[in-house]
Amino acid sequence: AQKITQTQPGMFVQEKEAVTLDCTYDTSDQSYGLFWYKQPSSGEMIFLIYQGSYDEQNATEGRYSLNFQKARKSANLVISASQLGDSAMYFCAMRERGAQKLVFGQGTRLTINP
Amino acid sequence: ETGVTQTPRHLVMGMTNKKSLKCEQHLGHNAMYWYKQSAKKPLELMFVYNFKEQTENNSVPSRFSPECPNSSHLFLHLHTLQPEDSALYLCASSPSRDSSGANVLTFGAGSRLTVL
Repeated sequence: AQKITQTQPGMFVQEKEAVTLDCTYDTSDQSYGLFWYKQPSSGEMIFLIYQGSYDEQNATEGRYSLNFQKARKSANLVISASQLGDSAMYFCAMRERGAQKLVFGQGTRLTINP
Repeated sequence: ETGVTQTPRHLVMGMTNKKSLKCEQHLGHNAMYWYKQSAKKPLELMFVYNFKEQTENNSVPSRFSPECPNSSHLFLHLHTLQPEDSALYLCASSPSRDSSGANVLTFGAGSRLTVL
């Protein structure tokens, strides 16, 4: 069964610093995708970045990058040069290939301090 | 309008009421989803529809009744709910199948439901 673990319930970071949000996953499948979403207080889940299990390079999207370590089954999100607007809940999620079900972790609440 | 729109944004209902949540997407997607987000719990998938057909029901109680009249609209009919059903209900859509494997879900802003 799929499982996503985010061990950091909350994180506090100074503006302009880089931050790493942890995510580990468990699957017996060889083919899967990993996702990160941001949820501001407004409630909407905003897609940030995707990493396929067979992708050799770590995914990057602007200030977001995914530190993918397949052997360790970890997919940490790195936000460079954090901004006040980055304050939100962040969710890691996984889908096994061929499935539509996206399984989410518990989330990490990130607070950026000025 | 663009993206995924959910109405109402907030709903308060008694346990004997009947109400409905509505979701509409303007992205040309063929798959639609209902997720439940309760406090201190991960998002839970409730239902999946592909081309108007229900393809997944995650053991959801029958007091939640989904309806998908076309690929752009999704409803969640609510009847005889319990206080523990109070949560944020999120609708999402995606391409039915994406050859790249990403098949990114686009979410609405959610409907915050409170059952008294």
